[in-house]
Parts: sequence; structure tokens; C-alpha cells
Amino acid sequence: SQQGEEDPQALSIQEGENATMNCSYKTSINNLQWYRQNSGRGLVHLILIRSNEREKHSGRLRVTLDTSKKSSSLLITASRAADTASYFCATDDDYKLSFGAGTTVTVRA
Amino acid sequence: ETGVTQSPTHLIKTRGQQVTLRCSSQSGHNTVSWYQQALGQGPQFIFQYYREEENGRGNFPPRFSGLQFPNYSSELNVNALELDDSALYLCASSLSAGGREQYFGPGTRLTVT
Repeated sequence: SQQGEEDPQALSIQEGENATMNCSYKTSINNLQWYRQNSGRGLVHLILIRSNEREKHSGRLRVTLDTSKKSSSLLITASRAADTASYFCATDDDYKLSFGAGTTVTVRA
Repeated sequence: ETGVTQSPTHLIKTRGQQVTLRCSSQSGHNTVSWYQQALGQGPQFIFQYYREEENGRGNFPPRFSGLQFPNYSSELNVNALELDDSALYLCASSLSAGGREQYFGPGTRLTVT
């Protein structure tokens, strides 16, 4: 079974707009990570947020974490065509990552 | 691109056969994890190897087995292939056995007919 659940399943936006996706998880976590996957290829690590952090930024990415609600969000600002991909949240325990089913983002030119 | 490589890129096997997938970890990484990703799903953890020992295992049957070598490269072996084994198999390396940032290879697409 998967720990995280992303919402929405799919998102289509115009280039330049912001994209927001959410992740909910079931059990307490050490860290929460976000990954990107292009066209069924390998995953690329985007950002890691620790359980004692509430917000983190990396370039055009902003991640929030609310441990009381067991949820996280990923915001991509000023989207580009190259941001078209699937985005996954993953919780980590001592040795493994548990992924959700992902949000597929399409950025239209 | 990460420094993690996987071979082969694609593979077609028949039900009942056996398959071996290979992974070379990023330089300096001593931990390798394997994941199975079915179409339209997120990756599912198979197992992790840390310094040549299995360090944890997901909900996969014993016909999924692995090895890690002294240079920290790794193999995933699947016996008695079933149609449901068709998936993208991803290898990821990391600096330690803790669930930190993992660096993924491009994957091996396995099709079982």
C-alpha cells in the first residue's frame, strides 16, 4: 500500500501560471520528499522537508508541511514547458521511500 | 542526470522465465534500493542493500532477490516471471542506509508476455 496520496491526479496549466499539488500521508514521518519523473524515466529529487520544518524553498519550488494534518503541498511558480512531468511525494523511514501515485502536470505553451 | 546507471534499458521475457537487472550506484554511495513502478502508479519499494547486506524489504515474494557487490553495484533477480511483473524497475543509490535523498537511475522496462 502507498503511504502518500497526491491530489489532483492530473493538472493542466498555461506556461507562466503556478501549479499547486497536494500530498496526504497516513503515519508519522521523519522527512517528506518530492520527486519529479519525466516520461517514465528515473526520478529526480526536488526537495526534502524535515518533520520539524513548515516551509522550504528551492528556486521556483515552494514546499509546505503540516504534520498535524499529515499533508504537504508543492508549488511551482512561473511554470515552463520543461516542468511537464509527474510529481511524487514520498515519505521516508529508516530505509525506504513510500511514494504516492503522483500528479501529472502538463504545461501548455 | 545522476551517476546511477541501469542495464538493460528494455527487456522482454516470457512468463516463467528468470531475469537479472543490473545497477551501478553513484560514486561514493554504499546503499542501493530497488523499486517497482507499474504503469500509472508510484514506485513500490522492493528491498535495500547496505554494504552487501539486505537492509530492508518491502511486500514482495521471495522470488524477488538481490545482491550487492563490494563495489556497491547491485543486481535484482526475479524468478518464475508473472505477467504482473511487467513494470519499470528503478534502482536508487544513497550515501547511507537512512531514508535520505536517493539518486535514481533511468530504469529498466520489463515486459513479460
